[in-house]
Amino acid sequence: ETGVTQTPRHLVMGMTNKKSLKCEQHLGHNAMYWYKQSAKKPLELMFVYSLEERVENNSVPSRFSPECPNSSHLFLHLHTLQPEDSALYLCASSQEGRRNNEQFFGPGTRLTVL
Amino acid sequence: GQNIDQPTEMTATEGAIVQINCTYQTSGFNGLFWYQQHAGEAPTFLSYNVLDGLEEKGRFSSFLSRSKGYSYLLLKELQMKDSASYLCAASTDSWGKLQFGAGTQVVVTP
Repeated sequence: ETGVTQTPRHLVMGMTNKKSLKCEQHLGHNAMYWYKQSAKKPLELMFVYSLEERVENNSVPSRFSPECPNSSHLFLHLHTLQPEDSALYLCASSQEGRRNNEQFFGPGTRLTVL
Repeated sequence: GQNIDQPTEMTATEGAIVQINCTYQTSGFNGLFWYQQHAGEAPTFLSYNVLDGLEEKGRFSSFLSRSKGYSYLLLKELQMKDSASYLCAASTDSWGKLQFGAGTQVVVTP
């Protein structure tokens, strides 16, 4: 595997379900991010982890719970979601400390909440 | 507050040139990124500007004016495969937090 991978690619869940999104980066980076992308809206930063510590929580509802067990893996645990949470969830990674610390994105998980 | 503005959609013909403008207002600024995103795919990095001026990379060039809070992405010799959404993003601190615009959908016609 290379780059940033995400599983599953598609997920349909009911409002009472509990599911998890997984992200893995194979780039040796030290920072990882979760974004939400809704149609016609800017990418919204949800969470940032730097060296496995959460450094940003952008006023995200508690029904989204991130976990970063090591610098290569990032999870987003989902429970009691709402239909408006349906969106593309993108994971990204970068190397902090570089001037041009471009973020590398995974392909995303298309989430539909019924 | 933070604000990144870019046009919603632009249409151009194959072989032509298109310029996508982006204006930004952020509380901090550490550079301007442009990403390309094809439908159903991940955004991919195109360019990064932190100093004023033009950065050229093949058919794509990006310009930045920090004093005006303005950037543009120039796509030359357009090809059908350039049909995609182009995202402008301002880095707002030293460790990489990005504020994204809503994206400009570029449609290339034959």
